[in-house]
Parts: sequence; C-alpha cells; structure tokens
Amino acid sequence: DGGITQSPKYLFRKEGQNVTLSCEQNLNHDAMYWYRQDPGQGLRLIYYSQIVNDFQKGDIAEGYSVSREKKESFPLTVTSAQKNPTAFYLCASSSGTGIYSGANVLTFGAGSRLTVL
Amino acid sequence: AQKVTQAQTEISVVEKEDVTLDCVYETRDTTYYLFWYKQPPSGELVFLIRRNSFDEQNEISGRYSWNFQKSTSSFNFTITASQVVDSAVYFCALGSAGKSTFGDGTTLTVKP
Repeated sequence: DGGITQSPKYLFRKEGQNVTLSCEQNLNHDAMYWYRQDPGQGLRLIYYSQIVNDFQKGDIAEGYSVSREKKESFPLTVTSAQKNPTAFYLCASSSGTGIYSGANVLTFGAGSRLTVL
Repeated sequence: AQKVTQAQTEISVVEKEDVTLDCVYETRDTTYYLFWYKQPPSGELVFLIRRNSFDEQNEISGRYSWNFQKSTSSFNFTITASQVVDSAVYFCALGSAGKSTFGDGTTLTVKP
C-alpha cells in the first residue's frame, strides 16, 4: 500500500545532540513537507521541497536542516541549535508542485515524537 | 499573511448529538483552498474535504457536512449524530501560493 513511513516513532535526545528523523514515501509525490506540532497548537511548517535537490525554509526553519537527494526521501535533522526541540514531527507529501500547490491534498505520516532529556 | 482561526479549543458532546466546528480564515489571495483534516489519537492526519474559493456550495458526506461562506470567511464543519469514533483533533487549513496554513485545531470528545 502506498503511504508515508516515518521513523523512529519515539526518540529521546540529550541536549547538544543532533538527531535525524526519517521520512520515506512510495506515492511518487513530488512535494514533501515537515511540520512541527506542539500541544494545543496547529502545524507549523519547518521545511518543504517540491523537487529533488531543492528545498525551501518554512516558518520555523531555524535549528533544523533537511536534504532531498531522492524523490522518495526527505530526512529532517534537528540540530543542537534548536532551543526547544521537544515536539511531535509530521512529514507529509503531495502530488502537486508550483505556485498553486496550496491546492493539493497533503498525505501525512504517523509522526515522530522527539523528547529532549 | 494567511491565518486560520479555530476558536473552539475543546468540545465535548454526548454520542448522537450534533456538533459544529468553527473555522475562520484570512487571506488576500483571490484563489485559495480550504481543507479539513482529522487527527485521531494515532497521530496521523487524515484528509476529509477540500473546497476552492470559487465554489461556495455546501457539501454533505454521510454524517459530515461543510458550510463555506465567503462573506464571513468561514468554513464550518458539522458532524450529525456524533459517534465515539469521531473523537479526534480536527484541523482547518488554508492553502494558497504553494503553502498550507493550519489552525490550532479543535479537540472533539464524544462520550458514550
């Protein structure tokens, strides 16, 4: 079945460590996204990519980095520069790209919950 | 700037009651899209509906219905005869110019 796989589901990090969250999709979607979700808040966009080897910062990119070396993969690294990384991270993808890609339905993974100890 | 407001943080109803989730949006774009997503306890958001800014027809799908009113910039979601399985966080989202903006979500609890 087509979908998005995020791993790990739960992750614990010590302060000062970088961690990488995996996101893989087999939907053949061009666009991929990373969102952060905090309790009682909506989803905030971290980074997005509409094509391989290209990505753009979202609203809260500071302290995060991404890569898009393959169409199906969009890993997110939470660096030590991210001051408050404890959150639920959601990866999504969509089939549309371009200026009107806000029209496209997002397909989400099950999320990764990161806790800083 | 785009903004989506879901004023109801939490709603609790008893099974079989009807419930309406409110969504108000702000955008300067003339072409945009509105969405509702459901996030069950498992965490994965599930798409429910999309409407474009030129189509103000209300829509009904089973127990779900949506009321889009451009004049009040609202896109409200009604669940008729609610069930325990409807318990989830519901997000309204606005999409335009390549990105989606989400509201803070409404947590719906349906008690048996």
